[in-house]
Amino acid sequence: DAGITQSPRHKVTETGTPVTLRCHQTENHRYMYWYRQDPGHGLRLIHYSYGVKDTDKGEVSDGYSVSRSKTEDFLLTLESATSSQTSVYFCAISEFRQGEGEQFFGPGTRLTVL
Amino acid sequence: SQKIEQNSEALNIQEGKTATLTCNYTNYSPAYLQWYRQDPGRGPVFLLLIRENEKEKRKERLKVTFDTTLKQSLFHITASQPADSATYLCAPILSGGSYIPTFGRGTSLIVHP
Repeated sequence: DAGITQSPRHKVTETGTPVTLRCHQTENHRYMYWYRQDPGHGLRLIHYSYGVKDTDKGEVSDGYSVSRSKTEDFLLTLESATSSQTSVYFCAISEFRQGEGEQFFGPGTRLTVL
Repeated sequence: SQKIEQNSEALNIQEGKTATLTCNYTNYSPAYLQWYRQDPGRGPVFLLLIRENEKEKRKERLKVTFDTTLKQSLFHITASQPADSATYLCAPILSGGSYIPTFGRGTSLIVHP
């Protein structure tokens, strides 16, 4: 398995609190991604990074911010969590940006916002 | 708007038969298409990639076709086994853009012994 870990694996929080999810890789891949997966919607891209300090928005970026200060770490922050952000969050990495670059996914973080 | 359609109903088949999963897309001209497998509680795992100029791609018991005229990809698993039971996601990728896959919702495959 590709060396990707996510922390925490499970989190329950209250509406209005800030939350940070961490993705850590040991593969030295350039590209990193955050997705959320919800029933009926499938995987949707939140933000992605194409290098240290280089990030861009995905399809559902509102309410989320990211940071990447080191190649191996990609942080996803919910500044003020809402119940609509209850979801399973997956981090992914890829070596290449081009379409032939398969993505390797982490184990996921299940976030519940009460 | 761009749309990806995969059968929302689970596909139930008997062990040993060939499973065929469908991925249709509209308002799209992907240059590549990836297929992933996802088991409950786990992240997706890459299976195969096919390019727009390839009609068919094989890997062991897996076969993928890509028909850019029909805007459809078919994913086949031959001699299916109960261990093949999972959700399968298709992910078309546009060229000239971000090259990031857009995922379908997936189709659940259940192989009965």
